[in-house]
Amino acid sequence: NAGVMQNPRHLVRRRGQEARLRCSPMKGHSHVYWYRQLPEEGLKFMVYLQKENIIDESGMPKERFSAEFPKEGPSILRIQQVVRGDSAAYFCASSAFTGTSEEQFFGPGTRLTVL
Amino acid sequence: AQTVTQSQPEMSVQEAETVTLSCTYDTSESDYYLFWYKQPPSRQMILVIRQEAYKQQNATENRFSVNFQKAAKSFSLKISDSQLGDAAMYFCAYRRVNDMRFGAGTRLTVKP
Repeated sequence: NAGVMQNPRHLVRRRGQEARLRCSPMKGHSHVYWYRQLPEEGLKFMVYLQKENIIDESGMPKERFSAEFPKEGPSILRIQQVVRGDSAAYFCASSAFTGTSEEQFFGPGTRLTVL
Repeated sequence: AQTVTQSQPEMSVQEAETVTLSCTYDTSESDYYLFWYKQPPSRQMILVIRQEAYKQQNATENRFSVNFQKAAKSFSLKISDSQLGDAAMYFCAYRRVNDMRFGAGTRLTVKP
């Protein structure tokens, strides 16, 4: 059973371009979470999705950022018109169920560098 | 708002010795989970140990154990018989339902 997959592992974009980060949850998991980690900081929650639904996007910047988790295929975190401050590691996690006791399994992360 | 504080940006321990990493958190809830994650240079987040707030007994996983003080809102991690492979960033995290918050991390160095 493969773990959480994220691709690409490294992504370089120039200011103003779009970045698309993909996350394939563990098999059987229908809950996906995105986190951002700035250098020398802990992970910050961005958004929580279930299939075809955004459940909680309270940590997502209001502009330029969007996320989806379609019925088929991976979850996508999309950043439009990237700026240097978007440079960070973006982690995806998945769980089988929702709730406090459910363990979230993390992917290896995507390191985004904005030139 | 729930916040998680790790007051030690860096810690160092001699191989085979014991080290304790500190974590405090702020919450008005009574039902939640606390976690310690390890992040080696590969940046993969690895769950080390977790503690249910309603359990008084401290969690233990092999060489890793916690000291959970609910009233003090303290959750420290003790690593016994430290090994070179324990060198990493360690993050304390709080979770209630889908709200998961991380501390800023403690970088642990293990000296041979």
